[in-house]
Amino acid sequence: DQQVKQNSPSLSVQEGRISILNCDYTNSMFDYFLWYKKYPAEGPTFLISISSIKDKNEDGRFTVFLNKSAKHLSLHIVPSQPGDSAVYFCAASAGNNDMRFGAGTRLTVKP
Amino acid sequence: EAQVTQNPRYLITVTGKKLTVTCSQNMNHEYMSWYRQDPGLGLRQIYYSMNVEVTDKGDVPEGYKVSRKEKRNFPLILESPSPNQTSLYFCASSTTGTEPYGYTFGSGTRLTVV
Repeated sequence: DQQVKQNSPSLSVQEGRISILNCDYTNSMFDYFLWYKKYPAEGPTFLISISSIKDKNEDGRFTVFLNKSAKHLSLHIVPSQPGDSAVYFCAASAGNNDMRFGAGTRLTVKP
Repeated sequence: EAQVTQNPRYLITVTGKKLTVTCSQNMNHEYMSWYRQDPGLGLRQIYYSMNVEVTDKGDVPEGYKVSRKEKRNFPLILESPSPNQTSLYFCASSTTGTEPYGYTFGSGTRLTVV
């Protein structure tokens, strides 16, 4: 039973445009959400997070939006760059170190 | 450099031959965890440890063992590997606190069991 779902296995966007990666969760106890980025042959690296008391968190080109009523979060990358091409994992936690991860979305940014 | 080090990076073994994947972190993190990554399933937790001598099962612990005798090390043991344990394995660590902190992951171990 996957509590965190990323329904789009892949996404392709043009350089300079916006990338929107989506994530849905089912467990209402989750109150902290994170995005990780993974390049081939490397481990995932932490990208950005958001607490459930917020609906938006911004860090440079990356913004995460949280809609608690819909149990949905999204990662926006603006503008997208070829170096952003990677697999992005959504993760959720119920306030401890234990996290549940989605299946990942492979983003390809075309020059 | 702060890091999580896993060894080996690649391993091919035969069914039933015991193996250990090592994991070491140099950040004095209390929390360590093992995940496996499989296509379409994302990262699934195998075991985790909140501190020395404290370990607990994750979502997919069958066929695996762990130990946490020292804070920096968290080896993953496969006593009798089977082909369904062919996967990409990641070790992760983090500090603990009132909010979950981002994990630091190792570079991964690709295991093939034939």
